[in-house]
Amino acid sequence: DVKVTQSSRYLVKRTGEKVFLECVQDMDHENMFWYRQDPGLGLRLIYFSYDVKMKEKGDIPEGYSVSREKKERFSLILESASTNQTSMYLCASSLKGRAAGGISKPLHFGNGTRLTVT
Amino acid sequence: EDQVTQSPEALRLQEGESSSLNCSYTVSGLRGLFWYRQDPGKGPEFLFTLYSAGEEKEKERLKATLTKKESFLHITAPKPEDSATYLCAVHGSGGSYIPTFGRGTSLIVHP
Repeated sequence: DVKVTQSSRYLVKRTGEKVFLECVQDMDHENMFWYRQDPGLGLRLIYFSYDVKMKEKGDIPEGYSVSREKKERFSLILESASTNQTSMYLCASSLKGRAAGGISKPLHFGNGTRLTVT
Repeated sequence: EDQVTQSPEALRLQEGESSSLNCSYTVSGLRGLFWYRQDPGKGPEFLFTLYSAGEEKEKERLKATLTKKESFLHITAPKPEDSATYLCAVHGSGGSYIPTFGRGTSLIVHP
C-alpha cells in the first residue's frame, strides 16, 4: 500500500512565524501535491511538483512556497504565517501517467496537518 | 476548463436504505474519474478509478458507474460505518497532471 506521511497531525503557530510542513511518500511517485481544505471551500491546490526541483503554482500559492530536493519528500513553507492560513493541509502523491493522452492515476493522500495560527 | 459538480451536498439515510450520489463533469477528453472517501479529520482515501463510459467498479456495498457526462456512486444497504464525505475528481487530457475535485457529498447513515 502507498503510504504518504505528514510530519505533524496538529500544529499551533504564532502570526509571523515561518512554518514548515513536511510530507514523505514511499512509493516512488513522480507527482506530489499540497492542498488546503476548508469547510465549504473543498480542496484547493496550493502547489504541485512533477519531478525533483520542479514545481508549479496551484490555485492559491500566495503566502506559500515549496521545496522538493528529493523525490520522496515535498515540503510546504509558510513564509510568515497569518491567521487566514489556519486550515487543514493535505499532501498527496501519484504516479505520473502520461500528460497528453493515455490514462491518469489516482492521488494518495496523507492524513493531514491541522494548522492553527494565533 | 474541467468542472465537477457533486449532488446532493448532504444525504441522510437510514441503515439499509439504498441510494446514489451523483458526480456530473465536463472535461476535454476524460483520462480518469476518481472516487474518494474522507472520514472527519483524515485525508481522502482512494476508492475507484473509472476510465470509460459503461465501466463499473464494485467494493463491498459501493458500486461506481460512469457515463459520458456523469458518474454515480451507488450505496446498497448502507451501514453507519459508511458515513463519510465522498469526493469525486476528474482528470482531462489538457496536458496537466492536476485533477479537478468536486466539493463532495456528506453522507450520514443512521442506525
